[in-house]
Amino acid sequence: GQSLEQPSEVTAVEGAIVQINCTYQTSGFYGLSWYQQHDGGAPTFLSYNGLDGLEETGRFSSFLSRSDSYGYLLLQELQMKDSASYFCAVKGGYSTLTFGKGTMLLVSP
Amino acid sequence: GAGVSQSPSNKVTEKGKDVELRCDPISGHTALYWYRQSLGQGLEFLIYFQGNSAPDKSGLPSDRFSAERTGGSVSTLTIQRTQQEDSAVYLCASSPPGLSTDTQYFGPGTRLTVL
Repeated sequence: GQSLEQPSEVTAVEGAIVQINCTYQTSGFYGLSWYQQHDGGAPTFLSYNGLDGLEETGRFSSFLSRSDSYGYLLLQELQMKDSASYFCAVKGGYSTLTFGKGTMLLVSP
Repeated sequence: GAGVSQSPSNKVTEKGKDVELRCDPISGHTALYWYRQSLGQGLEFLIYFQGNSAPDKSGLPSDRFSAERTGGSVSTLTIQRTQQEDSAVYLCASSPPGLSTDTQYFGPGTRLTVL
């Protein structure tokens, strides 16, 4: 089976940097993804790591270490609109994703 | 272009009734997924379609749940004899073939309330 652990909540102020960690235990691993979900909205894709290292997309970066079964999402120059839930997800077999329970990010002025 | 659409957006039903939830994926997307999300929880995988076949239906919680996909496009998730614990948001996602990142594009969901 697959299981993922991420913090339930993180708080930060506008302009700050925040890191959301994700550790996983999987029977098969093909990549780690991150999704953002605003309250009442649909999850939207943010980032994907298939190999070890850092992937950067604008203010967001994602890191993966397969040997440590660990990844993180880094959000820089936080804005109020970044307040949302962030989910890490592991791709197992059949291209299906197993999602973590999500981290609620609260950005305050 | 048009995204993933789902209908209805909200469904209130009585315990014991059957419900059908519909998903229209993005045109050309061969993979289709159903998830369930309870309040404040993560996404629980239900079933995966590749074309019209379902190679992975391991997430369906009971035999009251079934899904089909026709013409490699529209999918219907059916819940028979609904129970209160079935209340959740049901999300559908699709993805195109050959995408290395396996990005999934989600619809807005159907909020199911079982009274």
